[in-house]
Amino acid sequence: QVQLVQSGAEVKKPGASVKVSCKASGYTFTGYYMHWVRQAPGQGLEWMGWINPNSGGTNYAQKFQGRVTMTRDTSISTAYMELSRLRSDDTAVYYCARVPIVVVPAAIDYWGQGTLVTVSS
Amino acid sequence: DIQMTQSPSTLSASVGDRVTITCRASQSISSWLAWYQQKPGKAPKLLIYKASSLESGVPSRFSGSGSGTEFTLTISSLQPDDFATYYCQQYNSLWTFGQGTKVEIK
Repeated sequence: QVQLVQSGAEVKKPGASVKVSCKASGYTFTGYYMHWVRQAPGQGLEWMGWINPNSGGTNYAQKFQGRVTMTRDTSISTAYMELSRLRSDDTAVYYCARVPIVVVPAAIDYWGQGTLVTVSS
Repeated sequence: DIQMTQSPSTLSASVGDRVTITCRASQSISSWLAWYQQKPGKAPKLLIYKASSLESGVPSRFSGSGSGTEFTLTISSLQPDDFATYYCQQYNSLWTFGQGTKVEIK
């Protein structure tokens, strides 16, 4: 069965970086975009960007341009999201989520379990 | 960027009620709209894609409609398991989520 298993919770100081991993199983890793979505405590969902695991191409939301880097390691079917220059308002649960790579736009069909990143001095 | 506006923000309803949530896009997104359900501490779950297509395994009491800029999610007869927060999301141009609608027990 399809699984997206994310790395564990992180506590970081302001100004630091965090790297969250998302290990995929149960499907062809290179056949699906990996998107990243975050959710601050008590708030809504915020899209951060995606990576095409096949090509390594990325597309980031303008808000995160210059601070976010999405990468992948196809040998272990794992996607990564690194966010730098952390601020307290980056405290959130970060989700990875897959979307099929098809000709027409498609929605998320599977999500990771989420990774809580807490930014605090 | 395309903005998505959901209404209402909170909805109080009883089991068995018919519930409708509206989502409006700031510009046309054709039918590239999804609806997700989220329960506390859990990842969202896809309910509807392409505005009106029911995801496999989702109960038929959920339905979606609309195109262009106006969309609705309807729950025909609210069940105890349906009390949750619902989000619309456009995927026509990059991605944007609505702010969410919390469906609570009346």
